[in-house]
Amino acid sequence: EPEVTQTPSHQVTQMGQEVILRCVPISNHLYFYWYRQILGQKVEFLVSFYNNEISEKSEIFDDQFSVERPDGSNFTLKIRSTKLEDSAMYFCASRVAHIDTGELFFGEGSRLTVL
Amino acid sequence: GNSVTQMEGPVTLSEEAFLTINCTYTATGYPSLFWYVQYPGEGLQLLLKATKADDKGSNKGFEATYRKETTSFHLEKGSVQVSDSAVYFCALSDSDTGKLIFGQGTTLQVKP
Repeated sequence: EPEVTQTPSHQVTQMGQEVILRCVPISNHLYFYWYRQILGQKVEFLVSFYNNEISEKSEIFDDQFSVERPDGSNFTLKIRSTKLEDSAMYFCASRVAHIDTGELFFGEGSRLTVL
Repeated sequence: GNSVTQMEGPVTLSEEAFLTINCTYTATGYPSLFWYVQYPGEGLQLLLKATKADDKGSNKGFEATYRKETTSFHLEKGSVQVSDSAVYFCALSDSDTGKLIFGQGTTLQVKP
């Protein structure tokens, strides 16, 4: 069964360092998302991406964050200068079509720990 | 704006007990509604969904009915198992953007 894969599963970094989280969405999917879950809290929307551009972003997704799809398969989330409060589980998700009946498929997440 | 509210957890039940996790929503338009489950150490998996009013989603013994009049999508299971221990998230799909908006999650612990 096709699945969304994310790497790394866990990354520990020092405050101020750049981090890139990688995702390989399901191959025929067209819409891509990043969500964040701070430990014990709700899953929060960060950004959606379609047709090689951001279609929507939340207030959390400030200038320190960026996304790109560099090669038609990977979908990356970059945090330019990490802060302690960026420590969270980051989930990538994809869907095949922009209809609200379309299921979002999630990866297993990348845990980011900022020290 | 659109939002989802779930009952506070954790919920602790004995095996074979009846489960209800309440979920209510606020939305413009006609969103689809979902329950996702997160087992310990794993990602989010779709448990069930309903796309219009009065639809009932069901999977693995879990059920939820889309109630437009009460803006609710409560999750139920008649007889829980230890393996159902997980965090359950109610979510709605924004009808304009397609993004999911999640509730805060409810932790279920089932004891043998």
